Amino acid sequence: NAGVTQTPKFRVLKTGQSMTLLCAQDMNHEYMYWYRQDPGMGLRLIHYSVGEGTTAKGEVPDGYNVSRLKKQNFLLGLESAAPSQTSVYFCASRRLMNTEAFFGQGTRLTVV
Amino acid sequence: AQSVTQLDSHVSVSEGTPVLLRCNYSSSYSPSLFWYVQHPNKGLQLLLKYTSAATLVKGINGFEAEFKKSETSFHLTKPSAHMSDAAEYFCVVSDTMDSSYKLIFGSGTRLLVRP
Repeated sequence: NAGVTQTPKFRVLKTGQSMTLLCAQDMNHEYMYWYRQDPGMGLRLIHYSVGEGTTAKGEVPDGYNVSRLKKQNFLLGLESAAPSQTSVYFCASRRLMNTEAFFGQGTRLTVV
Repeated sequence: AQSVTQLDSHVSVSEGTPVLLRCNYSSSYSPSLFWYVQHPNKGLQLLLKYTSAATLVKGINGFEAEFKKSETSFHLTKPSAHMSDAAEYFCVVSDTMDSSYKLIFGSGTRLLVRP
């Protein structure tokens, strides 16, 4: 049972390039989330999904897009990367409201 | 709106002494509360959770937390710190009336353990 898997684990982008981060969960969870972690700021919610085919904006959505075409996958896209998007990105999934979230190992993204 | 305040950005203790990491929350209804730990360059691991059952919650590695509704607090404690406890700790709230069930994180407390 792999849990939550993020791909890739590391990436360096040039300003203006695009990329997609993949999150896959094998626990049949309904709810999935993308967070970014920056020093001293905890984890901030970028976008989330409450089920297959649904997405919604979180606290810091600008510059990102998401899709959830399959229940087990949640994709985070950067259309035109900026240095301000240098961060560690975490994906999480959750089954029900009173349960804990399970996190992936993170993607460290550097935009130069 | 939900929010979480971790009152200390850094806490330093000596090995074998008690640990106290403070957390206050704001939630419009009955919250679920969690503590997660993150070791350097690692993902997040659940320490413990409160979901409206017993107010004193026991977690892994000897940690526990007490939910105090009147004080809107959920402080994390451990009787005796170990070197392996050095990590960053996050207090997290989830509002059961929020249909997104999203988790709101505090800014984190870095725990340093001195030999």
